[in-house]
Amino acid sequence: DAGVIQSPRHEVTEMGQEVTLRCKPISGHDYLFWYRQTMMRGLELLIYFNNNVPIDDSGMPEDRFSAKMPNASFSTLKIQPSEPRDSAVYFCASSFGPTGPGELFFGEGSRLTVL
Amino acid sequence: AQKVTQAQTEISVVEKEDVTLDCVYETRDTTYYLFWYKQPPSGELVFLIRRNSFDEQNEISGRYSWNFQKSTSSFNFTITASQVVDSAVYFCALIGGSQGNLIFGKGTKLSVKP
Repeated sequence: DAGVIQSPRHEVTEMGQEVTLRCKPISGHDYLFWYRQTMMRGLELLIYFNNNVPIDDSGMPEDRFSAKMPNASFSTLKIQPSEPRDSAVYFCASSFGPTGPGELFFGEGSRLTVL
Repeated sequence: AQKVTQAQTEISVVEKEDVTLDCVYETRDTTYYLFWYKQPPSGELVFLIRRNSFDEQNEISGRYSWNFQKSTSSFNFTITASQVVDSAVYFCALIGGSQGNLIFGKGTKLSVKP
């Protein structure tokens, strides 16, 4: 079975450019999460969806960040405009939790470098 | 507020030594779930275990074992006879109540030297 698929795996861009990260969750999973990992702050939850509806976006750093989940099989995380401090590894994860939180399955991450 | 504390930032052991990674959590929920994830140098996050707050039985899986104690709000992870392949960053994490989001500790970097 395919796991969580993220693209791109690596992205290098210049400050001010728009960045779009993509995620395909595991089929049948009803939760989708976006995390950011940096050395300084560790793993931070940015936003999560349940049945395609954003539930908690309190971790989204600022208005430059936006996330969408137009359907059960696709989500995007967009940064516009990007800044050097956005450089991090962005992980997408999905889980199936009708009766409580299940195991989160993580993608391989998208490493973003903003110059 | 929910919080996970992994006080050990880095641990270095020699192969075949036993090592315990500590995890202390805080939550006001009576129902919650605890997890351990492994992040090897390749970067992916690998699920190791999930326990709910009503099951305090310790669990053993091969060389791995977990000790869950609600009285001390701890969920410690022991690797017996460590191997070089165990070198990774290990994260303890918590989901409380009806929340869906996983709160991670800062991680413990384990280095196992031959």
